[in-house]
Formats: sequence, C-alpha cells, structure tokens
Amino acid sequence: SQTIHQWPATLVQPVGSPLSLECTVEGTSNPNLYWYRQAAGRGLQLLFYSVGIGQISSEVPQNLSASRPQDRQFILSSKKLLLSDSGFYLCAWTDVGYGYTFGSGTRLTVV
Amino acid sequence: GNSVTQMEGPVTLSEEAFLTINCTYTATGYPSLFWYVQYPGEGLQLLLKATKADDKGSNKGFEATYRKETTSFHLEKGSVQVSDSAVYFCALGISGSARQLTFGSGTQLTVLP
Repeated sequence: SQTIHQWPATLVQPVGSPLSLECTVEGTSNPNLYWYRQAAGRGLQLLFYSVGIGQISSEVPQNLSASRPQDRQFILSSKKLLLSDSGFYLCAWTDVGYGYTFGSGTRLTVV
Repeated sequence: GNSVTQMEGPVTLSEEAFLTINCTYTATGYPSLFWYVQYPGEGLQLLLKATKADDKGSNKGFEATYRKETTSFHLEKGSVQVSDSAVYFCALGISGSARQLTFGSGTQLTVLP
C-alpha cells in the first residue's frame, strides 16, 4: 500500500535560520508531488509541485525552494527563514486521476 | 483562471442538526470537484468527489452534487455529530500532467453536544 511520510511534525526556528522539510512516498513510482502551505486561519496555498525527478515548478515567488533528488523524495528548503514563513506545511502526492494523499503536516513556527 | 469560493465560517451547530457548506467554482474546462476534511492537527483527507456534472459524491453521511448549471458543489449532511468537527475544504482539479488542485479557503465546523 502507498504511504507518505512527512517530518518533522513540529519545528520552531529562529528568523534567519535555514529550513529543510522532507517528504517521502512509498508504494508507488513516478508520483506527482506537492508542497502546500496553510497559514493560520487561511486556506491552502500551493507552493511547489513536481512531475518527475529534478522537475520543480514554483507557484508563488518567495524565499523557499524545493528539490526532488529521488523519485519518491520531495524536500522543501529555505536558506533564511522569515517570520512570514510560519505555517502548516503539507506534502501531498498523486499518481493517476486525483487520488491526492496528504502527509500529516509540519507545523513551523518562526520566532 | 480557476478558483473556488467557499462559505465563510466558522459554523457552529448542535448535534443532529442539518449541515450545508456552500461551494461555488469558476474553471476553464471541465473540472473534477472534491471535498477534503482536516481534523485538528492532521493533514487533509479526501471526503468525497465527483468527476462530472450531476454526479453525487457521498461518504460517511456527507453528500455533494456536481451542479454545472450553478457551478456549485455544496456539502450536506442530514445529522452532524461531535466527531464531524473539523475544517472542510472544497477543491477543483483540471486534468493535465500536473493534476493540481485549487482549494477554497476552508470552513471550520464545530458541533456541540
């Protein structure tokens, strides 16, 4: 069966520090992968998506970046966090159709 | 472009009350429509979906009908329970290689005993 792992679950980081959030998928190959952000009291904003290894599309300009070094691994990074980067980050995948599966999320607080 | 407009919350109901959460959309092409649910501290789970006009998605007592003429996909449940308290997101997707979903802003539902 397919599973998605996202970590860490919670993270508190100071302003200006780097960030690395990791997401891995098991039980499927060549999935589409997505990073969404959910700010407090707001909806979901698509940040990045990837349709294959090394292929990253950015939806929103910001100081975040994403990479896909392996087929089932998707990483969200930042060199220097801003206060406005605080939020709930969700990784998701889909293979065919719209069977989106979300990870359990990472709550990031930038202080 | 594509967009989803969702009924603003929060919505507070008593147990066994009838629930409606409105959702309307604008889209180029023929979208598939979805409702996702997010329980506190968790990721999103697919609740139901409909892929073409007049389809009715249903799950766990929730229903939504794809209405092309009114571009709507309202979520309903006849009798809510405390365990239904969560945030509900309406979403649409257009076929293509990226298979992206466009989400509404979410509606917080609280059901009181």
